[in-house]
Amino acid sequence: LAKTTQPISMDSYEGQEVNITCSHNNIATNDYITWYQQFPSQGPRFIIQGYKTKVTNEVASLFIPADRKSSTLSLPRVSLSDTAVYYCLVGDDAAGNKLTFGGGTRVLVKP
Amino acid sequence: KAGVTQTPRYLIKTRGQQVTLSCSPISGHRSVSWYQQTPGQGLQFLFEYFSETQRNKGNFPGRFSGRQFSNSRSEMNVSTLELGDSALYLCASSPQGTRGYTFGSGTRLTVV
Repeated sequence: LAKTTQPISMDSYEGQEVNITCSHNNIATNDYITWYQQFPSQGPRFIIQGYKTKVTNEVASLFIPADRKSSTLSLPRVSLSDTAVYYCLVGDDAAGNKLTFGGGTRVLVKP
Repeated sequence: KAGVTQTPRYLIKTRGQQVTLSCSPISGHRSVSWYQQTPGQGLQFLFEYFSETQRNKGNFPGRFSGRQFSNSRSEMNVSTLELGDSALYLCASSPQGTRGYTFGSGTRLTVV
């Protein structure tokens, strides 16, 4: 699976938009980009997945440029409850569940 | 619908003992995978089972094993426990061929 690089931590304030960028220079043609959210002592929770351009759901947007070597997770108007670790994963997980998690980005939302 | 259920939630074992953890996937999900999470190593893939067969395996010693039953429920076993096996063990399930896996809340194992 392609290795990913993302910031270790980010601070934000309630109501702001948080953008987390993930680099994945050696992404393969069949790879998808997936983001998970994890709260302490809980399992990761699927947020969003995309292949190219832009994907939006009720909680986040995912922006993927044409070369697909990076992606940006956008969390609109964050609240205190969005404080968590966010993981960017790249791979073709339809071929079986063998997800490779990096270190993730610890997002702290302040009041 | 019910999520992924892991039991027990917490467990304390002594070094040298063995332990069995259980995972009940979401109804209809045939793939069950296991992960170990520690502060030092982060989230690491252990193995995946699909239709009672191990389909993928991570880089863990043979002390870590698992199995899947015909109803898709899965168990993982760790023998000869070491202090370093203390971790949060997570199970994830998915239907065949879909992306985005659902994780359980995990079993917190402490080895003393």
